[in-house]
Amino acid sequence: DAMVIQNPRYQVTQFGKPVTLSCSQTLNHNVMYWYQQKSSQAPKLLFHYYDKDFNNEADTPDNFQSRRPNTSFCFLDIRSPGLGDTAMYLCATSSLITYIGANVLTFGAGSRLTVL
Amino acid sequence: GDSVTQMEGPVTLSEEAFLTINCTYTATGYPSLFWYVQYPGEGLQLLLKATKADDKGSNKGFEATYRKETTSFHLEKGSVQVSDSAVYFCALSNDYKLSFGAGTTVTVRA
Repeated sequence: DAMVIQNPRYQVTQFGKPVTLSCSQTLNHNVMYWYQQKSSQAPKLLFHYYDKDFNNEADTPDNFQSRRPNTSFCFLDIRSPGLGDTAMYLCATSSLITYIGANVLTFGAGSRLTVL
Repeated sequence: GDSVTQMEGPVTLSEEAFLTINCTYTATGYPSLFWYVQYPGEGLQLLLKATKADDKGSNKGFEATYRKETTSFHLEKGSVQVSDSAVYFCALSNDYKLSFGAGTTVTVRA
């Protein structure tokens, strides 16, 4: 089945120790998103790729970076995690001909990050 | 900016009860509206959507109607099951991204 797969599902890291989360998709969608979801809060968009074009949200901390080496893969790098970065990180994809419309996202199961 | 406000939870119901989760939005233009559901330990899944005023989205017994005059998109189900226990998110899309409400946790007891 076509899907969005995130790895690892659970990650524990030390304060300040870099961490990388991965996302792969078999949907051949051209848009990939990273959301941060803290406990009992709404998912918050960090950034997205439209094809190879990177789009950062204005309030995303510099600590968060992303790479998309090809259509299928996207990575979230957290350079120096702080305690406040403990959250679920959700990858999502969509297929858009244009940026406007009923943009339906397909989500992965998420990577739960704990920073100690 | 665009925003979504949804009814706070948690909501606890008995099986076969009627469920309503209120959702209102603030947006410019004509957004599309969605309900996503998150089952325990899983990612978000699209439950239903509506793309213009007076559209009704429906799926798995859930319904929601896009009301432009009241800027609302309330979710309803006439008879819930234990398997409907989940977190429900109302969301809107005005362009390339979704803006989510805070989520409502629903627990259905047998």
